[in-house]
Amino acid sequence: EVQLLESGGGLVQPGGSLRLSCVASRFTFSSYAMSWVRQAPGKGLEWVSAISGSGASTFYADSVRGRFTVSRDNSKNTLFLQMNSLRADDTAVYYCAEGTLTTVNGFEYWGQGTLVTVSS
Amino acid sequence: DIQLTQSPSFLSASVGDRVTITCRASQGISGYLAWYQQKPGKAPKLLIYAASTLQSGVPSRFSGSGSGTEFTLTISGLQPEDFATYHCQQSGTFGQGTRLEIK
Repeated sequence: EVQLLESGGGLVQPGGSLRLSCVASRFTFSSYAMSWVRQAPGKGLEWVSAISGSGASTFYADSVRGRFTVSRDNSKNTLFLQMNSLRADDTAVYYCAEGTLTTVNGFEYWGQGTLVTVSS
Repeated sequence: DIQLTQSPSFLSASVGDRVTITCRASQGISGYLAWYQQKPGKAPKLLIYAASTLQSGVPSRFSGSGSGTEFTLTISGLQPEDFATYHCQQSGTFGQGTRLEIK
């Protein structure tokens, strides 16, 4: 069974930085585009960013463009999200998921999520 | 940008009921709409993709339909484990969610 395991969340002050990781197991990681999706407390889901299987193409929501950077290391089956200039409204559970903007069959695999809290 | 609006936002129903959740797009979209179920503290679970295709392992009491700007998720014969929040998605846009609670 495919497993995605996020880490790196925590408490950070406004303006600070954090790097999230998502380690994939039991599937051919490099063959799949990946996304980050977040969910603020008590709110709906928000797609944040996506990256192609090779890492050559990246995509961002307007709310994070210029502050967040998605990347991947296919040799380590790992997806990253570098988050800079964090704001209070970035507070959310961040999920990695298999899929991208053009995925036609939905996001089948999700991690368990990692909580990011931006507060002074 | 496309917006997805789910209705209702909150739904109260009983075990055995048939319920329908609607997802309306701000403009016509392809049939590539997905539905997810999410329980508290858990990641979303894919139920339906391409508007009407049931994901493997999902009970047949779940069904999806629609095209253009209006899509529906129907649960026929609610079970206790179905009480959760449901989200629709098209590409990088999610609906705001529908919370289904026991009456």
